[in-house]
Amino acid sequence: NAGVTQTPKFRVLKTGQSMTLLCAQDMNHEYMYWYRQDPGMGLRLIHYSVGEGTTAKGEVPDGYNVSRLKKQNFLLGLESAAPSQTSVYFCASTPGGTFIRFFGPGTRLTVL
Amino acid sequence: ELKVEQNPLFLSMQEGKNYTIYCNYSTTSDRLYWYRQDPGKSLESLFVLLSNGAVKQEGRLMASLDTKARLSTLHITAAVHDLSATYFCAVDNTKTSYDKVIFGPGTSLSVIP
Repeated sequence: NAGVTQTPKFRVLKTGQSMTLLCAQDMNHEYMYWYRQDPGMGLRLIHYSVGEGTTAKGEVPDGYNVSRLKKQNFLLGLESAAPSQTSVYFCASTPGGTFIRFFGPGTRLTVL
Repeated sequence: ELKVEQNPLFLSMQEGKNYTIYCNYSTTSDRLYWYRQDPGKSLESLFVLLSNGAVKQEGRLMASLDTKARLSTLHITAAVHDLSATYFCAVDNTKTSYDKVIFGPGTSLSVIP
């Protein structure tokens, strides 16, 4: 099993550009999450999904959109990137139960 | 609102020494998690603690939970360099925790030979 994978690993954007981050998991997990990690702030939840076709807002959803058309994929979109969105983005999934998160390798995004 | 604090935020310790990382949280919690993150890497689950008095151990790490004090500890015994990483605790306070897990700021541990 590959576990949780993320594409791309690195990206540099200019202010106002758009992009989509892809998260894929092959563990048949129901729940998927997008977090951002900033120095000294731990991880903050952006959006999450409790199943195919469903999404919901987390702590810091502004400026991001998500979609989960297939159970194994969870996409995070930035429509008009801003420097404040410079961060490391982690995708995670969980089967439920104890809700232990399985994290992807991360995407390092820089917005100039 | 659930808040999670960790102490210390930075820890430098010598190999062979013992130390404890503390995780305090502000409201009643059903579950507490500990994760490890190596520099430039992703997060890896270490422990999940499900009830008051729970204790989990793996290798040189031992985690415990006191729900009455709203406190979890991660104890490091005879530290080795390989334990150098950032350790996060995360807490949830609902039965359906998919959206309510709050992460602490992390404790950056450096073990010096």
